[in-house]
Formats: sequence, structure tokens, C-alpha cells
Amino acid sequence: AQSVTQLGSHVSVSEGALVLLRCNYSSSVPPYLFWYVQYPNQGLQLLLKYTTGATLVKGINGFEAEFKKSETSFHLTKPSAHMSDAAEYFCAVGFQKLVFGTGTRLLVSP
Amino acid sequence: NAGVMQNPRHLVRRRGQEARLRCSPMKGHSHVYWYRQLPEEGLKFMVYLQKENIIDESGMPKERFSAEFPKEGPSILRIQQVVRGDSAAYFCASSPTAQGGSNEQYFGPGTRLTVT
Repeated sequence: AQSVTQLGSHVSVSEGALVLLRCNYSSSVPPYLFWYVQYPNQGLQLLLKYTTGATLVKGINGFEAEFKKSETSFHLTKPSAHMSDAAEYFCAVGFQKLVFGTGTRLLVSP
Repeated sequence: NAGVMQNPRHLVRRRGQEARLRCSPMKGHSHVYWYRQLPEEGLKFMVYLQKENIIDESGMPKERFSAEFPKEGPSILRIQQVVRGDSAAYFCASSPTAQGGSNEQYFGPGTRLTVT
């Protein structure tokens, strides 16, 4: 069975500050890991994914995530937050059947 | 290239009625997935289909829910005799292949079902 835990349902940062959204996973097989972003009343957009190979994964909009097997983590970071980054972020694990975390709402203040 | 299309975007049904949600995958995609998102929660997997086949329906409620992906036309998620607990956002995703690769799933905008 696979599962995902996202620590912190809400994260608040100031514009220009570092963004760190936490994700820990559980998987009995080598995981495929994903981060998605959801803007209000919209579907999910893929930010980045990890399958195999390089553990530091770069995605769209300046986001990146690092797969750490020893810590079973896949935290999402961005060096400098923009107002447009305010949204809900979901971490997911799986292949055909994705298992999602409960989401983290990112709030960005001016 | 058009993305995943879902219609209607909003659907209101009274208790006991049927809800029919449609999903047209991206061009060239032959795999469709349905997920349900309850308020303030993450997405929960419901069913995975290929053309004319249900591959994994482990997330589907045992009663009232069914899904199909016919040879021609969109995938349909059908909910019979809706109850208030069915109120949620239903998202469809598609992927080009589930064999090898990363199974990158592309999501539609969702259908928001409200049961009154």
C-alpha cells in the first residue's frame, strides 16, 4: 500500500521568501512521486515528477523537489515566492492509481 | 492540443436523481482515471479505464456508481440515486500509456456536483 503525508495544511510566506512544502511518503515499491498545484475552481496542474535517476527534480514556475529515500521525503521548494504562487499544492505517489496527500494551502503576503 | 475536457462543469441534482459526468481525454490518450475530491480533502482514486475495459475500480463505491469508456465517445461516470454525500468535485485525468514511462496524468477542470 502507498500513502502520502503532507505536514501543514496551511503555509504562509512573504513575497520573496523561501517556499518549503513538506511531503513524506510510504511505499513498498520504488515510488513515482508527483507534485500538483490547484488554483481555485480549477483542475490540477503537474509541477514536477520523480520516477528514477536524478534525485533533484526541477519543475515549472521555479519549483523543485528532492527525493530522499532515507527520509522517505519529497519536499517542494522555491527560492522566492510570488503572489501568483498562492494555491493548493498536492503531493502524490503511485503509478496508475495516484494516492494524494490532503494538500497544503500556500498563502503569499505582500 | 486541447486538454482534458469535462462537462458539465457544474451539476445540480436532487436526491434520488441520476448524475452523468463526461470526460474527453487528451488527443492520443487511451487511459482515463476518475478521482473524487470532497471539500477540504485531497483527491481519492475511483476508477481507471482503458477503451472498453475497466482496469481498476478499487476506489468505486460498491453501489450506485459505474463508469465506462466506450470505443467511441467520452468516458462516463454515472451516479444513480444521488445522495447529499455524493456532493463533491469529480476530476478526470488521462494519460497516453500506463506501460513504462512515468504515467503522467493530465487533469481536467472537474465537475462540481451538488446534491440538494
